Amino acid sequence: GAVVSQHPSRVICKSGTSVKIECRSLDFQATTMFWYRQFPKQSLMLMATSNEGSKATYEQGVEKDKFLINHASLTLSTLTVTSAHPEDSSFYICSASFTENQPQHFGDGTRLSIL
Amino acid sequence: GENVEQHPSTLSVQEGDSAVIKCTYSDSASNYFPWYKQELGKGPQLIIDIRSNVGEKKDQRIAVTLNKTAKHFSLHITETQPEDSAVYFCAASMGAGGTSYGKLTFGQGTILTVHP
Repeated sequence: GAVVSQHPSRVICKSGTSVKIECRSLDFQATTMFWYRQFPKQSLMLMATSNEGSKATYEQGVEKDKFLINHASLTLSTLTVTSAHPEDSSFYICSASFTENQPQHFGDGTRLSIL
Repeated sequence: GENVEQHPSTLSVQEGDSAVIKCTYSDSASNYFPWYKQELGKGPQLIIDIRSNVGEKKDQRIAVTLNKTAKHFSLHITETQPEDSAVYFCAASMGAGGTSYGKLTFGQGTILTVHP
């Protein structure tokens, strides 16, 4: 079935560092990828939707200059957390779907810890 | 925008019993309703989904029912096993058209514990 790979699985870095997270669809072409943030014991909150070859659409309250998203190919989307601070520490999860109306398949998430 | 309410927040059952998790949604334009299972430290895994033109769908021990009129849908797990223990999320998504197309709105999650 549809496999989505997310890398790295865990990042620990100092405040002020920029961190890049990769999301790859391994066995299908993903027209659309989504990026979520999940705090401990809470639900998933959509941050942005990215379509291959076009700019990402950010949810209200999500700073696009803080969370840079690039969807350069049908199998790869990246999320860069720029100048990360402790409040950016969270579990970031991507998902991918063949089209916007097809099921979303999730990666295993990236645990980001900013010291 | 869409709002999805999920109940209960925790559910504890004995192995072999059935478990039922319920969700309600607010936007009648929603037409796709997936259920995800999330294990600790992992991403959500799609376990079953249903579209609004269907009232019920079953896959082995898992079934989902949808009542469009009442705007609620439920997950039913029969013959539960300890490995079913996880957090379960329901979600809703709108159909074609509009900026919300394809975006999932998640419920708050249910922690299911199956005791051996």
